[in-house]
Amino acid sequence: AQSVTQPDIHITVSEGASLELRCNYSYGATPYLFWYVQSPGQGLQLLLKYFSGDTLVQGIKGFEAEFKRSQSSFNLRKPSVHWSDAAEYFCALKIKAAGNKLTFGGGTRVLVKP
Amino acid sequence: EPEVTQTPSHQVTQMGQEVILRCVPISNHLYFYWYRQILGQKVEFLVSFYNNEISEKSEIFDDQFSVERPDGSNFTLKIRSTKLEDSAMYFCASSGLAATYEQYFGPGTRLTVT
Repeated sequence: AQSVTQPDIHITVSEGASLELRCNYSYGATPYLFWYVQSPGQGLQLLLKYFSGDTLVQGIKGFEAEFKRSQSSFNLRKPSVHWSDAAEYFCALKIKAAGNKLTFGGGTRVLVKP
Repeated sequence: EPEVTQTPSHQVTQMGQEVILRCVPISNHLYFYWYRQILGQKVEFLVSFYNNEISEKSEIFDDQFSVERPDGSNFTLKIRSTKLEDSAMYFCASSGLAATYEQYFGPGTRLTVT
């Protein structure tokens, strides 16, 4: 069965510094991949998605992610973090042609220091 | 911007009681979902619903759970006889038809079973 691992439970970063959140997946083929963000009291908001093609995808709020097939990874990056980026971030996958359910990682909580 | 709404935001119930969690998906969406997140654990898929029937369900979604779209706007999750382990955040989501369509999530209902 497919799975998603986010190795970092918490990350603290200074405002203006760069951020990278790790995501690894386990599946025999290339799935659809997603990053969601959850701010306190809010639902899950899609940051970006990878289906095929260019392995570097751009998303909202200045985020990007790179798909690396050889490493089964889909890491999320932002060059300069803002205080409003403090939130929980979830990586998720969906199996192509196998329904629409999302399989989520455990999430990474990001704290931004002033 | 269209959004998924959920009511109530917090529900407290006693073990053995029935609860109904309500969701209003985005109006032109065709797929509806329920996910849950037990505190400290991953977001887990429960069920997807399309064309007035369940299209996929997880092993968590046993006979004590049911879903319904009672009218053209609401989508509900019923838990017939709640257990302590049903305490979780329940997220509703909706999407268009294609597998590449984004799932839009609501803010969640926190269910506490005492």
